[in-house]
Amino acid sequence: DTGVSQDPRHKITKRGQNVTFRCDPISEHNRLYWYRQTLGQGPEFLTYFQNEAQLEKSRLLSDRFSAERPKGSFSTLEIQRTEQGDSAMYLCASSLGSGRVTDTQYFGPGTRLTVL
Amino acid sequence: DQQVKQNSPSLSVQEGRISILNCDYTNSMFDYFLWYKKYPAEGPTFLISISSIKDKNEDGRFTVFLNKSAKHLSLHIVPSQPGDSAVYFCAAKDQGAQKLVFGQGTRLTINP
Repeated sequence: DTGVSQDPRHKITKRGQNVTFRCDPISEHNRLYWYRQTLGQGPEFLTYFQNEAQLEKSRLLSDRFSAERPKGSFSTLEIQRTEQGDSAMYLCASSLGSGRVTDTQYFGPGTRLTVL
Repeated sequence: DQQVKQNSPSLSVQEGRISILNCDYTNSMFDYFLWYKKYPAEGPTFLISISSIKDKNEDGRFTVFLNKSAKHLSLHIVPSQPGDSAVYFCAAKDQGAQKLVFGQGTRLTINP
């Protein structure tokens, strides 16, 4: 199965530390998305890439957050100077990027971040 | 503002019966709607979708109904099975946008 994969699955860090997550999309998918999910809520959009270009960023993505997708394949999401409020599940999704309305996003298993 | 709302945090249904999950939205520019299913410690799994040009889409035991005038969609699962126990999220996409807007989720429990 070549679904979306994310690494690590769990990350515990101390406040103030930097963390980096990786996402590998489904091969041939041109679009890659990052979402964040907190307890009792649905996923909230953070940012998305079309190939290597970052085309949209949410207001949720503060200056401490940066995402990259070099070469249009895998993506990384870095959080600098983590805060306890950053504790959440970080979800990555990918889609074909067909340009059609029905471009379905498929999610990875997520990275659960706990900031102590 | 919550543009997509799932007003029932939880639902309990007997095995073999029909499960009906509801979702309301406020943004009339939404033109594509999806349902995802999520087990604990896993990412959301795509279940079924519907375009705003349709009012019904069916896939096996799952049917999604869209009522544009009421800005309401529902997911019907029949017959319900124990493996359907999960959290179900409704999501919507705006015309020309790529991001999905999710509801808060409904936890479905199927009782044997």
